[in-house]
Amino acid sequence: EAGVTQFPSHSVIEKGQTVTLRCDPISGHDNLYWYRRVMGKEIKFLLHFVKESKQDESGMPNNRFLAERTGGTYSTLKVQPAELEDSGVYFCASSQGSGTSGYNEQFFGPGTRLTVL
Amino acid sequence: AQSVSQHNHHVILSEAASLELGCNYSYGGTVNLFWYVQYPGQHLQLLLKYFSGDPLVKGIKGFEAEFIKSKFSFNLRKPSVQWSDTAEYFCAVKSRGNNRLAFGKGNQVVVIP
Repeated sequence: EAGVTQFPSHSVIEKGQTVTLRCDPISGHDNLYWYRRVMGKEIKFLLHFVKESKQDESGMPNNRFLAERTGGTYSTLKVQPAELEDSGVYFCASSQGSGTSGYNEQFFGPGTRLTVL
Repeated sequence: AQSVSQHNHHVILSEAASLELGCNYSYGGTVNLFWYVQYPGQHLQLLLKYFSGDPLVKGIKGFEAEFIKSKFSFNLRKPSVQWSDTAEYFCAVKSRGNNRLAFGKGNQVVVIP
């Protein structure tokens, strides 16, 4: 079974540009999460999709970040315009089940390393 | 907001030494606790978890962790490490009512053969 995949693995862009990160969850997983790790800091939650709906977006830092999951399959995270402080590793995770009833293990992808110059 | 503290961010030890990584969290309600590990070049993966019951939980690769509710702690231990345990270890907490994981800053562990 294929795991969570993310694309690209690395992205280097200039301040002010736009970047779109993609996450393909494990097939059949309704829950999809985005996390971010800024260098030297902890991994922080950004948001949680259940199918195509945003269940929890309390961790999104500002309106320069837009996450979508059209059709409830893969998800994209767009940063527009990118700022220097957006640099970090963006992780995606997925889990089975729907909503927050019970808990199912979150399986993580390899991450996308974003560098904003 | 809940927070998770991990100390001794860089740990270097020799093979066969014992390892203990501390994890403290700040949250007064019911929590679920996790340790994740990221081996070099690999994904984050679940090492072990505590939901309820026996506060001493055993995970993969000989790791165990003990939940001490009165101390808000969930320390990770391994009696005898191997070179292959070189990795970054993350403690994480989930509170009831949502699925977000709150992570600590991680412990970079290097085991010298």
